Parts: sequence; C-alpha cells; structure tokens
Amino acid sequence: DTGVSQDPRHKITKRGQNVTFRCDPISEHNRLYWYRQTLGQGPEFLTYFQNEAQLEKSRLLSDRFSAERPKGSFSTLEIQRTEQGDSAMYLCASRAGLSTDTQYFGPGTRLTVL
Amino acid sequence: GEDVEQSLFLSVREGDSSVINCTYTDSSSTYLYWYKQEPGAGLQLLTYIFSNMDMKQDQRLTVLLNKKDKHLSLRIADTQTGDSAIYFCAESNPSGSARQLTFGSGTQLTVLP
Repeated sequence: DTGVSQDPRHKITKRGQNVTFRCDPISEHNRLYWYRQTLGQGPEFLTYFQNEAQLEKSRLLSDRFSAERPKGSFSTLEIQRTEQGDSAMYLCASRAGLSTDTQYFGPGTRLTVL
Repeated sequence: GEDVEQSLFLSVREGDSSVINCTYTDSSSTYLYWYKQEPGAGLQLLTYIFSNMDMKQDQRLTVLLNKKDKHLSLRIADTQTGDSAIYFCAESNPSGSARQLTFGSGTQLTVLP
C-alpha cells in the first residue's frame, strides 16, 4: 500500500508526559502537512513542510509542539508536557508538487491525555 | 478571512439522493474539496472542483459550485448505507506556499434503511 501511514494509531498518556507521532507520506510527495482534529470539528492546520524545510506554522502550534522532517521523507510531531487539551486526532497529509493542491490523508493518531 | 460552514446533520432513506451544502468566504480559493470520514478513521478524498468550473460529475457524485454565492454542494445519487459518514467541505488557501486546507465542521449523513 502506498498511501499515507501514521504510527501509532492510538496513544494514551498521562498529563505532563511527552509523546511523539510519526507520519510516512506517499512516496515522492515532497509536501507534508500536520492537522489536528477535535471532536465534532473539522481538521485544523498545524504545520507544513516542503521537503525537509518547515515553511509554515499555525498559531495553534504552541512552543510545546515541534515537528521535524529531517530527510524530507517521514515526519515526526512531538508534544512536550502534554495537557488534557491536547487530546485530539492528529492527521498527516501529503501532496505532490505545484501542479495540484490535492492532499491525501493518513488514518490519524488518536491522542488521549489523562 | 476564511470560514467554511456546513449544516451539521442530514438523514435520508436508502436509495434517495443526498445533498450536502457548504458555504465559504474566501473568493480567491482555487480548489474546493469534499472528504469523507468514517468513525475513527482518517479523511478519504471523494472529489474536488476547480474554481473555474460550475459542475463536476464522478459516478454517483455531483459537485455544483456557485461562485457568486460562494456555495458548494455535493449530491450523492442512490445513497447507500455505506455512505453513512461525516462529509467535510474544504477550501485550499491560495496565498503562501502551503496551500493548507480550511475545513467546515462536517455534515453527519445518516442513511436509513
């Protein structure tokens, strides 16, 4: 399967712990996005990578959040000192180059902070 | 600013047509999308329409775009129980390099037997 994959699918953690999620985009998609989706809402943009460069960050991305894409392929999203308000679905999406805006989403990582 | 709005719920009988509506405010949007989300899953791309088009048909799906009113609709013909899901309308932000998507809150479609 060559779709977007995310790991883990579910994560339960205690408040104050750090968590890290991984996203593997569609092969050769050089653009990668992270979104957050809370219950009953649509996804909200967090950050964007073009190859290894993080080019845009939403104001939702507090300083406890950090994202990387070190080799321009997979990406990680780390949340430090988790809070209950961080509980959400974290979605990764990728797209090909300039000729299309179409984004393809992974299955998401469901984070629950106790 | 960007704001995408959808009605929250829609119920239809199996075999009927479903029409899900969406309004958006960013007139400079280039692409508008419909995604489907089943419980606990990610978003599945259903279809999209470029802003210079009025209509796009893809099998059971028909997308209508009224740019003057900034109104987008998704019609599902012969709705089946497997179509029960949340449907999201989204617009791409044409400014900047990210072209991130702005989503509505989703419409929960329930198909009754």
